[in-house]
Parts: sequence; structure tokens; C-alpha cells
Amino acid sequence: EVQLVESGGGLVKPGGSLRLSCAASGFTFSRYTMDWVRQAPGKGLEWVSSISTSSSYIYYADSVKGRFTISRDNAKNSLYLQMNSLRAEDTAVYYCAREWQVVVAATIEYYGMDVWGQGTTVTVSS
Amino acid sequence: SYELTQPPSVSVSPGQTARITCSGDALPKQYAYWYQQKPGQAPVLVIYKDSERPSGIPERFSGSSSGTTVTLTISGVQAEDEADYYCQSTDSSATSYWVFGGGTKLTVL
Repeated sequence: EVQLVESGGGLVKPGGSLRLSCAASGFTFSRYTMDWVRQAPGKGLEWVSSISTSSSYIYYADSVKGRFTISRDNAKNSLYLQMNSLRAEDTAVYYCAREWQVVVAATIEYYGMDVWGQGTTVTVSS
Repeated sequence: SYELTQPPSVSVSPGQTARITCSGDALPKQYAYWYQQKPGQAPVLVIYKDSERPSGIPERFSGSSSGTTVTLTISGVQAEDEADYYCQSTDSSATSYWVFGGGTKLTVL
């Protein structure tokens, strides 16, 4: 079964740090670009960060740039999000998601985020 | 920064057709993707590349694109379709990699 399982969430004080993990199973993790997406309480989805298969390409939302670091360990089938200098507005459920990509005529086409974890909750509060 | 605009809510009766729009300046050049999210659950991809449906998604879900607006259409709405729906796209700029719309709450009356 294709599965993503997040962990590492919790309660942290403003200015603190937290490291989220996402364990992948049921598919060849190293072949997929992965993302972190978050959802603040009662709010919509917000894309946070993306990392390519070999970590060569990494992107961040402006709201987390300079504070969050995405990484992956293909040998461990794991995705990570190191979150530093946390703020109250970082409070959210954090989802990891797999990017469905297909090679068509030597071009990579994006088909959406087709597998999501159940999410892990991060609360930033004093 | 780039924005995708969705109506906050749409209401329909069972069996009717629901249409949820998403507007963005780059949509004529970039594909849109649609996700369904039910309370307490992770999002589920229901439409990719404007109008393609992943396997396992009912045929009543369809997508279309016209200019700066993409539309998710749910024909013959069922009670189980009540959920939040989000569009996703990009403007391929250095400041916006992936962007989600604000979401639309579909209520089945």
C-alpha cells in the first residue's frame, strides 16, 4: 500500500525549533519530487516547500524562506522539514505529499499531488 | 505574489450540477489541479491538467478551462461530495512555485 506517515509535530514556543519527518512506503521514494503543504486551523491549504528526487532543486514559500529547511534521505525513504524561528502563524497541520510526474517525450509533466499523509499538528504558542 | 481566486462557498441540491471556479492571470498558460478535502481528512486529487481525472475518481467530476478561469464541475451532486475544494497552479515565477486557491466549501442542501 502506498503510504506517507508524518511525525514530529507538537507544541513549541515562539522562536523554537521542530523537525518534521515523513516516512514513505509502498513506492520507490527516490523517483518522486516531494512537498510539504500546511493548513492553519480553519484555513485553506498553503504550499510550503518542494524537493526534487536528488535534492538538486529545492523551493520554499516566501513565508518560510530562511527559517525552514527541507531535506530527504532516499536510503531511508524519508522526507524532513526542519523548522526554526517558529512563529504563531506557523501553527498548522503539516502534510507531506508526493508529486505525480510523468515523462512524456523526454519532458517531465506534472500531474498533481497524488498521495498525501494524514498530517502532523504543529502548535506554536507560549 | 501570485493568487488564485475561488468563491468561498457554493450550494446545490442533490442531483444538481455544482460549478466551482478558480481565477488566475497565469491560468491560460499553466495547468490547474483540483483537490477535495473532507473534514479531518487529507486532500484528495480529483482533477489534474485542467480536465483529466485520476483513476478511482467518479465520472461526475470534470474540469474545464477558459481564459483566466478554470472550473470544476460536479454533475449529479451526491451528499458525499460535500467538502472543501481547492485549485492549485503556478505562475512559474521565482516567487511562486505552487499556489493554492483559498478554497470553496461545497454544501449539498
